[in-house]
Amino acid sequence: KNQVEQSPQSLIILEGKNCTLQCNYTVSPFSNLRWYKQDTGRGPVSLTIMTFSENTKSNGRYTATLDADTKQSSLHITASQLSDSASYICVVSAQVNTPLVFGKGTRLSVIA
Amino acid sequence: SQTIHQWPATLVQPVGSPLSLECTVEGTSNPNLYWYRQAAGRGLQLLFYSVGIGQISSEVPQNLSASRPQDRQFILSSKKLLLSDSGFYLCAWRTPRAGGTGELFFGEGSRLTVL
Repeated sequence: KNQVEQSPQSLIILEGKNCTLQCNYTVSPFSNLRWYKQDTGRGPVSLTIMTFSENTKSNGRYTATLDADTKQSSLHITASQLSDSASYICVVSAQVNTPLVFGKGTRLSVIA
Repeated sequence: SQTIHQWPATLVQPVGSPLSLECTVEGTSNPNLYWYRQAAGRGLQLLFYSVGIGQISSEVPQNLSASRPQDRQFILSSKKLLLSDSGFYLCAWRTPRAGGTGELFFGEGSRLTVL
């Protein structure tokens, strides 16, 4: 069964600190993996996309990694800001016309 | 540029009342359209998707229905709401690329509370 598991479920960090969010998946055959940021009460917005051949990709203070062998991805946030407080959702796409597989998200709270 | 509009943003309805959520996309043609529901502490659940006018696929059997009367319009409806229909509803679109691997673009969401 295609699944995406994210950890931790929630995380609280101090402003300025770094953090890493994890995503493990069993989706096969794999096409790509995206990280979305969802502010409270808003729709998710894509941060990065990782394809099979990519190991790391950065978008400002966000850096995503992908290990296709172990089927794991991480999202690293550097020098966190209060505006980083949101849910981060890992979404995996298979190589055929099947529904996307969503993780339940990690709820990140950045406090001053 | 492409934009997606979803309304209403917030809705409070009594049990048994009807529902209509509307979503429109601008700046693209023949998009794939989706309705998702997001319950507290749970991931996004795909409810319906459409690859063209009048073409609706249902992923979860329930008392909700969807319609696509125009290329860029997607409507989520119910004749009689249940308490369990409360949640955050998200409309989304993406280009119909081969394999359906394109980025999903989400609307701002509609918060439905059924009392």
